[in-house]
Amino acid sequence: AQTVTQSQPEMSVQEAETVTLSCTYDTSESDYYLFWYKQPPSRQMILVIRQEAYKQQNATENRFSVNFQKAAKSFSLKISDSQLGDAAMYFCAYLNYQLIWGAGTKLIIKP
Amino acid sequence: EAQVTQNPRYLITVTGKKLTVTCSQNMNHEYMSWYRQDPGLGLRQIYYSMNVEVTDKGDVPEGYKVSRKEKRNFPLILESPSPNQTSLYFCASSLTRVNEQFFGPGTRLTVL
Repeated sequence: AQTVTQSQPEMSVQEAETVTLSCTYDTSESDYYLFWYKQPPSRQMILVIRQEAYKQQNATENRFSVNFQKAAKSFSLKISDSQLGDAAMYFCAYLNYQLIWGAGTKLIIKP
Repeated sequence: EAQVTQNPRYLITVTGKKLTVTCSQNMNHEYMSWYRQDPGLGLRQIYYSMNVEVTDKGDVPEGYKVSRKEKRNFPLILESPSPNQTSLYFCASSLTRVNEQFFGPGTRLTVL
């Protein structure tokens, strides 16, 4: 069965600094998708970034980028120039036939 | 505005009293899904639907029912709620199974 592991329950970073959130997953499939979702205190789930497993190039969305290591089954999220509005729970998710979620990492931004 | 709506947003009920949480999307999406979110567990899928009249169980379907009579609506039914169903529930939709899922605002359910 596929599993997603986020080993950091909580991370903190100084405003304007860079932080990396870790995610590993377990699968025997070769074709799948990976996502990072953000959940701010409003509870709304917001897509941050998406990666197709068949693409070697790492996805980037403005200040957000991923380090996708398919062989290592690793999918980390890097947030550059952290802003106060980035404070949220971040969830890593794997999609093949269904979306499997990690337990989340709480990101705290220190002003 | 493209969106997924859920109602009610908050609900306190008692054990055994049937309830329905509605979910509606206006994006003509084929795929819809229900999740529950509990502390430390992330989101777990309850049921999903690939299209009208096509539904299937997710990871935690016990105690829940769904229906998909129309493309835009995907209600979640708790026939006899129990306290272990106290949770935050999300409805989501996407164009197909492999596209980005758009989430509703969540429904906070408390079963006493």
